[in-house]
Amino acid sequence: AQSVTQLGSHVSVSEGALVLLRCNYSSSVPPYLFWYVQYPNQGLQLLLKYTSAATLVKGINGFEAEFKKSETSFHLTKPSAHMSDAAEYFCAVSDGRGYQKVTFGTGTKLQVIP
Amino acid sequence: EADIYQTPRYLVIGTGKKITLECSQTMGHDKMYWYQQDPGMELHLIHYSYGVNSTEKGDLSSESTVSRIRTEHFPLTLESARPSHTSQYLCASARRTRTGQETQYFGPGTRLLVL
Repeated sequence: AQSVTQLGSHVSVSEGALVLLRCNYSSSVPPYLFWYVQYPNQGLQLLLKYTSAATLVKGINGFEAEFKKSETSFHLTKPSAHMSDAAEYFCAVSDGRGYQKVTFGTGTKLQVIP
Repeated sequence: EADIYQTPRYLVIGTGKKITLECSQTMGHDKMYWYQQDPGMELHLIHYSYGVNSTEKGDLSSESTVSRIRTEHFPLTLESARPSHTSQYLCASARRTRTGQETQYFGPGTRLLVL
């Protein structure tokens, strides 16, 4: 079985401050990990993904995430928050086998304060 | 960028009506999925398809049905809508790969309100 836990359903940061969104996973096999962003009234857009290559993954819009096997974590970071980053962020895990089940976290809403 | 479309984007309908939510993708992806999304909850998989004439129920019990007659089209139908069906429905697609790793691309969603 696999699962994803996103710590904090709401995170607020000041514009220009570091963004850190936390994601911990559990998986019985080496996982594939994803971060998606969802803007209001839109679908999910892929930010970045980890597929067992480099542990530090760079995505779009200046975001990056680091896969830490020892901590079973895949936290999302951005050095400097922008107003346009305000959205909901979903972490997801896939075991990459069989029917390719993807399990999503419950999401973290990021608020950026001017 | 993924090309996956959903219509309608918003739908308000009365109880008992039959509705079909449309999903189309132009990427030739084999795999397609329907998720239900409610505020503060994880996405729940309600249906998926591995290709033409292949459909399966997902993890979340749903009264909806799907069909996959063409690769690019994966409509979801509710025969008799109820207020409990009020939710956002997200369609996604992915390409089958040799390595088993896939990335799901999402449509913009359909927000359904059943009165």
